[in-house]
Parts: sequence; structure tokens; C-alpha cells
Amino acid sequence: DQQVKQNSPSLSVQEGRISILNCDYTNSMFDYFLWYKKYPAEGPTFLISISSIKDKNEDGRFTVFLNKSAKHLSLHIVPSQPGDSAVYFCAAKTGTYKYIFGTGTRLKVLA
Amino acid sequence: GAVVSQHPSWVICKSGTSVKIECRSLDFQATTMFWYRQFPKQSLMLMATSNEGSKATYEQGVEKDKFLINHASLTLSTLTVTSAHPEDSSFYICSAPQGAKDTEAFFGQGTRLTVV
Repeated sequence: DQQVKQNSPSLSVQEGRISILNCDYTNSMFDYFLWYKKYPAEGPTFLISISSIKDKNEDGRFTVFLNKSAKHLSLHIVPSQPGDSAVYFCAAKTGTYKYIFGTGTRLKVLA
Repeated sequence: GAVVSQHPSWVICKSGTSVKIECRSLDFQATTMFWYRQFPKQSLMLMATSNEGSKATYEQGVEKDKFLINHASLTLSTLTVTSAHPEDSSFYICSAPQGAKDTEAFFGQGTRLTVV
């Protein structure tokens, strides 16, 4: 039973445009979410997080939106750059430093 | 920044043999490390929590005797896949927290295990 879902396995966006990556979760008890970015042959690196007491968190080009009623979060990257091409995982915190990950979305930013 | 290193990056082994994967925190100490597994097109699944100086804590459904975890020091945790079978072929990745915030969990680069 996949508690964190990323229904789009891949996404292609033109450079300079907005990238929107989506994530849905099923457990309403989740109260902290993170986005990780992963390049091939490397481990995931932390990108941005959001607590359930907020509905938006912004860090430079990256913004995460949380809709608790819909159990949905999204990561917006604007403007998208070719270096953003990677696999993006959303994750829900289940314990201290413990996460449940989604299946990932491969983003390709076209130059 | 903090670095977590895994070795080897990839390994091919024969069925029935055992494989050891190392996870090291290079510039910080980690009393706790986490081992994940990722099957193709699936998410990273937490397998176990490695605790320095005590037994590992395994997630439900993970066989303790098959996936032996040893946290020998504050900078090293090892995962040994014993009597490997082709279905154990997967991507194994460790993480180690450094700071007090949940955002400060660093991941190794992962190990691709192929059992033939």
C-alpha cells in the first residue's frame, strides 16, 4: 500500500518555464513533508520541506505547496534550468529522520 | 557539507553468496543510520535502523537473518545480504542524520546489487 504517491513518472519542461511536480499521500497523520532531488549514481539530496501547519514554503526558485484537505503537495520550480534535470522524490516523515518516499518523478528540463 | 559514503557502488554476486555493503559518515559521527531499498520504478523503502552499540531495528517484513546490520563504530554501518537470491537484486541506500533537524539526513550514493 503506497502511502505516498507520485503519479507522474516523468515530466519534460522547457528551460525558463515552471516545473510542477505533484505528490499525494493517504495518511492524514503525516505532518511533515520533504522533497529530495536525486542525480544518477548519487544519493538523494534534501531540497525543501514543509510542516503541516503551513501551506507554503519558499526557497529561492523552489516553492512547496501543501493542501491538507486534499492530501496533496506540489513542488514548483521557476524558472526551470537544465541543471534541475533529476529525479525528484517527495517524502513524508514517519519518525525522527525516518521517511516514506514516493516513487519519484523524473524531470527533464529542455534547453 | 556532510558526506555519507557507500561502498561498493555496484556489485554482482552469485546466488547463495553473501555481500557486504558499507556506509560511512565521512566528517561526522552518526549513532543512527538508516538502510533503504529501492526496487525498479518503486519508492525507497526503509528496511532498518542501525544503532551504534546495539541491535538494529527492522521494519515489518524485513528478515533480520537475511539482512544483517552491524553498526561497528560511530562512522560505520554495514549491511550484509546473506545467501543472496536474484530477488534481492535492488538498489540499497543508507542515510545518516547529522543535525537536530529532520532535513539534515544525508544519503549515501547507493549500491546497486545484482544477484545472478
